[in-house]
Amino acid sequence: DGGITQSPKYLFRKEGQNVTLSCEQNLNHDAMYWYRQDPGQGLRLIYYSQIVNDFQKGDIAEGYSVSREKKESFPLTVTSAQKNPTAFYLCASSPDWGVGGYTFGSGTRLTVV
Amino acid sequence: EDKVVQSPLSLVVHEGDTVTLNCSYEVTNFRSLLWYKQEKKAPTFLFMLTSSGIEKKSGRLSSILDKKELSSILNITATQTGDSAIYLCAVDRGFGAGTRLTVKP
Repeated sequence: DGGITQSPKYLFRKEGQNVTLSCEQNLNHDAMYWYRQDPGQGLRLIYYSQIVNDFQKGDIAEGYSVSREKKESFPLTVTSAQKNPTAFYLCASSPDWGVGGYTFGSGTRLTVV
Repeated sequence: EDKVVQSPLSLVVHEGDTVTLNCSYEVTNFRSLLWYKQEKKAPTFLFMLTSSGIEKKSGRLSSILDKKELSSILNITATQTGDSAIYLCAVDRGFGAGTRLTVKP
């Protein structure tokens, strides 16, 4: 079955550490996205990639980095520069960027300890 | 900057009531508006509205796109407790803050 796999489901980070969240899709989608969700808020766009080897900053990119070396994979690194990283992170993909329905992963909940 | 605004942010109703959720947008180059339901983790797709498909219906849920007013509504009739969720509106790459709907027995 096609879909998006995010791992891990839960992640704990010490202050000052970088952590990487994994996102893999087997839907042959060109576009991939990372969103952050805080309690009581909607989804805010961190980074998006329209095609392999290309990515663009979203609305809240500071303190995050991404790569898109393969079509299937779009990992997100939360760096120590991100001052408030505790949140729920959702990865999504779509056949084309900004058009058509997203397919979402099940999310990663990151907590700073 | 693209903007998607949903209202109300929170809504509490009783089973059997009808609710209307609103989504307005300001985007540079509109292509599609999507509605999602988020109960626990990943949002699940409800409807996609485009310039060529401005009205959708599925069971008790229906949605209309008003291109002139740059807005959309999501209607839920005869609400049930299982409708309790956050309803998200997305226009192109941006999402609104969502409407938290609580349906009481």
